[in-house]
Amino acid sequence: DAKTTQPNSMESNEEEPVHLPCNHSTISGTDYIHWYRQLPSQGPEYVIHGLTSNVNNRMASLAIAEDRKSSTLILHRATLRDAAVYYCILPGSARQLTFGSGTQLTVLP
Amino acid sequence: SQTIHQWPATLVQPVGSPLSLECTVEGTSNPNLYWYRQAAGRGLQLLFYSVGIGQISSEVPQNLSASRPQDRQFILSSKKLLLSDSGFYLCAWSPRLTGGLTNYGYTFGSGTRLTVV
Repeated sequence: DAKTTQPNSMESNEEEPVHLPCNHSTISGTDYIHWYRQLPSQGPEYVIHGLTSNVNNRMASLAIAEDRKSSTLILHRATLRDAAVYYCILPGSARQLTFGSGTQLTVLP
Repeated sequence: SQTIHQWPATLVQPVGSPLSLECTVEGTSNPNLYWYRQAAGRGLQLLFYSVGIGQISSEVPQNLSASRPQDRQFILSSKKLLLSDSGFYLCAWSPRLTGGLTNYGYTFGSGTRLTVV
């Protein structure tokens, strides 16, 4: 299964945009890119996913590189409630999610 | 709409006692089901997944087992708990898709925090 690489931690100021990067150089042509986040003491929450084109929803935007070897999750205006661990995942052959260490996002007031 | 139920929310069990955690999904049919565990300060580890009734795949050898007696029911069990079984257990589901494409998000339950004493 393809693996992903993310920075361990990032900081952002409140109400500023946040760009969370993810590298997935071994991605296959049919792998969707999923993003989840986990707030303290809660289960992971789906954020967004995409295949080739950039995607937008009420929570975030996903920018996918043309070669699909990297992607960026964009939070347009970070709030204190966005502080969480963000995971970039390529589901496996049985559609199972394998979580790495993710990126711990700290939002500063 | 689809919902996932997981219970209990917290559980304290003595070493050597049995365990049964239940997860049910409503509002969908033929889901893929998953059990994850998160030890304190650690990442999420996939324990089991199921693509159908009676079909269980184990990712990591454990003191645990899983069963899927009904389409939308997934049970995590242990005959004798160990201290190392303590952690945050999460059930999740995803739609059963054809073509091998994972173009739907996964939904997680609220979790069970298990403490083995």
